[in-house]
Formats: sequence, structure tokens, C-alpha cells
Amino acid sequence: KAGVTQTPRYLIKTRGQQVTLSCSPISGHRSVSWYQQTPGQGLQFLFEYFSETQRNKGNFPGRFSGRQFSNSRSEMNVSTLELGDSALYLCASSSGTSGGQETQYFGPGTRLLVL
Amino acid sequence: TQLLEQSPQFLSIQEGENLTVYCNSSSVFSSLQWYRQEPGEGPVLLVTVVTGGEVKKLKRLTFQFGDARKDSSLHITAAQPGDTGLYLCAGADLANFGNEKLTFGTGTRLTIIP
Repeated sequence: KAGVTQTPRYLIKTRGQQVTLSCSPISGHRSVSWYQQTPGQGLQFLFEYFSETQRNKGNFPGRFSGRQFSNSRSEMNVSTLELGDSALYLCASSSGTSGGQETQYFGPGTRLLVL
Repeated sequence: TQLLEQSPQFLSIQEGENLTVYCNSSSVFSSLQWYRQEPGEGPVLLVTVVTGGEVKKLKRLTFQFGDARKDSSLHITAAQPGDTGLYLCAGADLANFGNEKLTFGTGTRLTIIP
């Protein structure tokens, strides 16, 4: 079974630009969660999508948005990039039907650098 | 806001020594998970503990969930260089069961010196 894949793996943008990151979950998984990881703040939850609907949301500004397609693939978008958005963006997939007790499988992440 | 504090933040020990990493919170979690993350990769789940007081063993790793489900510990016996990595605890929200959101701890960066 293929794992979670994220594209691109590395990205360099400048302030004010926007960026779209992609995540393909494990086949059969319907839940995709996005996290931001920085040295200072650690791993923080952005949002979770299940069956094309945003089911949970973290405490990030509206510049951070996402969506999920009918094949469960998900994208997240960050508009008007700021220097502080430089981070490793991780997505995780799970079946989404057993609450917080089931395993979330993480992808390798997309490392975003904002200059 | 639920917070998970891990201690120590950094730990560097010799191969063969034992160590314990702690994960503490003032909040109750429905379950708690431990992950290990290596450079350039995403976190990989090591264990999930669900019941207060639960102890799980995974080879040289022993995980314990506090009786009140607010804290957890990870003990490694006879550490090996392959144990090097960032260890993260993560709690599942009790208030919203069915919620896939995980609250991650601050992390412990472990280095095992050969």
C-alpha cells in the first residue's frame, strides 16, 4: 500500500505570493489533516477534511485554506505569504471513522521557505 | 487551549544508557499517542495509549498513560543510536470524540552517542 505523498517536497516563495500544497492520502482513507511544524511552535493543527468537508479547524488566520476532492486528495493554500509562514507542512491521513484513537499516517512534508 | 509540555526538550546520552521522556498536560485526553520523527520525514506512530494507567511495551520502549489521562511517559532501556530522533506526544481531544485533531507536545530531541 502506498504511503501518504506530498508535493512538492521543497518550495521557495517570496512575501506576498500565494502557494498551493498537495497531499494524496493512503488509498481508502477519507480523512486528511494538515499541520504546520516550526522550530518555535512545534507541530500545530491547521484543519482536517473528511469526505470533501472541513470537519475541524485550528487557530490559523483565514490566509490558510484547504479543500478536499472526491478522491480524497487534498490541497492547502496559503495566500499573501509572510516570512513566518516558513515551515514544514505535514499532512496525515486516516480512515476518519474512529475518532482520535486511530492511527494517522504522515507524509514526508513540504518544506516552504518564504523570502 | 490544550497544551502538552514535554521534558526534557533536548537529551543527549551514551549508547546503552536508559532514559525517560515526559509529556504533561492540565487537560484530559481520550487517548495519547507517541511519535518519532527523523530528519526529512513525517512523524511515525509508535504507540497509542487509551486507558488511564495503561502500560505498553514495544521492545526496549515502555509507554505509560497517567491514571488521570493527563500525562504520559516514554522510557527507553539500553538506548541505541537508531533511537535518535524527535519524540512527540500527541493527545486526542476528549471533548469532541470523533475529532481527528491531535494536539502535539513540544517535542524531545534525543541523540544517542555511539
